[in-house]
Amino acid sequence: AQSVTQPDIHITVSEGASLELRCNYSYGATPYLFWYVQSPGQGLQLLLKYFSGDTLVQGIKGFEAEFKRSQSSFNLRKPSVHWSDAAEYFCAVAVNYGGSQGNLIFGKGTKLSVKP
Amino acid sequence: EAEVAQSPRYKITEKSQAVAFWCDPISGHATLYWYRQILGQGPELLVQFQDESVVDDSQLPKDRFSAERLKGVDSTLKIQPAELGDSAMYLCASSLDSPLHFGNGTRLTVT
Repeated sequence: AQSVTQPDIHITVSEGASLELRCNYSYGATPYLFWYVQSPGQGLQLLLKYFSGDTLVQGIKGFEAEFKRSQSSFNLRKPSVHWSDAAEYFCAVAVNYGGSQGNLIFGKGTKLSVKP
Repeated sequence: EAEVAQSPRYKITEKSQAVAFWCDPISGHATLYWYRQILGQGPELLVQFQDESVVDDSQLPKDRFSAERLKGVDSTLKIQPAELGDSAMYLCASSLDSPLHFGNGTRLTVT
């Protein structure tokens, strides 16, 4: 069965420091992978997606993620964190993605706190 | 930028009562999803529509939950009767040929 694991429940980083959030997936075919961010009490906003091609993908707000098939990973990175990045981050894999048919399987999320 | 609209934003109800949530997807988006997000967890799919047809409702507790999208546009999710364990955020999302776009959700508290 498809699944997504985010090993870190909560991470705290200092403002200006670099960030890496881990994501591992289990999926038999070529995965379609996503990172979403959720501020408290809000819906989810798409940060970036990987469908195919270049394994390093750029997203909004200065985030990037690297797909590593050999490690079944899709880790999210940012070189310098801003206080406004404090939120919860969700990694997701699409099941049977094609056109508009893509249901997402989400990880449990990683809560990011930013120290001044 | 177009958004997925959901109402109400917050709902408090007593157990055994009925409750309903409404979602208006982005115009032209044929696929609509209802997800449930329990506090501290990732969202989990309840039901997926393609136009007015249900594509996947395998995780919908059909003894108490129902969902409809009669004209293939907006959608309603109903719970009757509500139970304490239904307290969660209910998120609606829509898509066309793109990743899912989420609304801000309805936070349900069952007392």
